[in-house]
Amino acid sequence: GAVVSQHPSWVICKSGTSVKIECRSLDFQATTMFWYRQFPKQSLMLMATSNEGSKATYEQGVEKDKFLINHASLTLSTLTVTSAHPEDSSFYICSANRDLSEQYFGPGTRLTVT
Amino acid sequence: GENVEQHPSTLSVQEGDSAVIKCTYSDSASNYFPWYKQELGKRPQLIIDIRSNVGEKKDQRIAVTLNKTAKHFSLHITETQPEDSAVYFCAASGGGGNKLTFGTGTQLKVEL
Repeated sequence: GAVVSQHPSWVICKSGTSVKIECRSLDFQATTMFWYRQFPKQSLMLMATSNEGSKATYEQGVEKDKFLINHASLTLSTLTVTSAHPEDSSFYICSANRDLSEQYFGPGTRLTVT
Repeated sequence: GENVEQHPSTLSVQEGDSAVIKCTYSDSASNYFPWYKQELGKRPQLIIDIRSNVGEKKDQRIAVTLNKTAKHFSLHITETQPEDSAVYFCAASGGGGNKLTFGTGTQLKVEL
């Protein structure tokens, strides 16, 4: 149990376009989902915390107008990178809480902006 | 907010030796401390976790110790094997809700 999926697993887009990444909890309801970004050889940096039916809470330094998060249901959260630029190229990983502490991670989405 | 420091950044051991990775945290309200193993291009995998009401936890070759007073916790891997080679991250949460703050990672290489 506690499976989290992400789609797509990788995406290449042109500079200036927008990309949507989906995060789904497949066998449980997640009241909270998290979005992380990981640059090569670096740690996971939390971008935002997403709660079903409410606005996401963004970490300091993360542009909420650029990284749009929608948590429409207890099993789905989406991250849209708007007007993507090469510096947005990264590995984006979501996670979901089933209880108060352990997080279950998705497989990640590799975004390359050309 | 929480700040987690992790050392060393790289660690090379001979197969069969032990490996120890150490982390310190800043927020005394943190109460959950997981350790993750991440292989290149993959998701982090939880390998062991510990809560603040416990000082030590062991699972086969892996153990974690927690010193709440000093605000540090450590991962111990015994009888290392080549398949243990990966990047290991510590993390802490609890002080600011459920969100995790990750350490900077340790690249472990187990040599034959």
